Amino acid sequence: AQKITQTQPGMFVQEKEAVTLDCTYDTSDPSYGLFWYKQPSSGEMIFLIYQGSYDQQNATEGRYSLNFQKARKSANLVISASQLGDSAMYFCAMREVSNTNAGKSTFGDGTTLTVKP
Amino acid sequence: DSGVTQTPKHLITATGQRVTLRCSPRSGDLSVYWYQQSLDQGLQFLIQYYNGEERAKGNILERFSAQQFPDLHSELNLSSLELGDSALYFCASSVGQRVSYNEQFFGPGTRLTVL
Repeated sequence: AQKITQTQPGMFVQEKEAVTLDCTYDTSDPSYGLFWYKQPSSGEMIFLIYQGSYDQQNATEGRYSLNFQKARKSANLVISASQLGDSAMYFCAMREVSNTNAGKSTFGDGTTLTVKP
Repeated sequence: DSGVTQTPKHLITATGQRVTLRCSPRSGDLSVYWYQQSLDQGLQFLIQYYNGEERAKGNILERFSAQQFPDLHSELNLSSLELGDSALYFCASSVGQRVSYNEQFFGPGTRLTVL
């Protein structure tokens, strides 16, 4: 069964500094995708970044990068140059590809990030 | 704006009642996903439909059912409502169904309150 663990319920970071949000996962499927979403206080879910299990390089999207360590089953999100607008809840999620329930996503409990001015 | 629309935005009802949540996917998207976000259960995948057919099932209660219509909009029906069903219900859509990189675009959600 899929499992996502986010061990940091809350994180604080100073504006303009970098922050790493932790995510570990568990799956027996060799083919899967890892995702990070941002949920501001307004409630909408915003896709940030994706990493495929067979991707050789770590994914990057602007100020977001994913530190993918497959052997350790970790997929940490790094936000560089934090901005006040980055304050939000962040969710790590996984989707397996090869099983018959491939549309199913599993989400972690989330990390609340607060950016301090 | 993701292009996914959900109605209503807020819904307040009583225990034992039945409600219907509606979702219209982005233009061109064939897959619709339903999620429930509650304080005690977190964000949970409920069900996926692709082009009218059920494709994946998660932790969806038997009191809940969903369908996707020929025009690709989807409805989530919640019956015999309990206090614990109070949650934010998201709909998401994507183009395909099984591809690993399958970005899901989330709607704004329907906040259900059961009193």
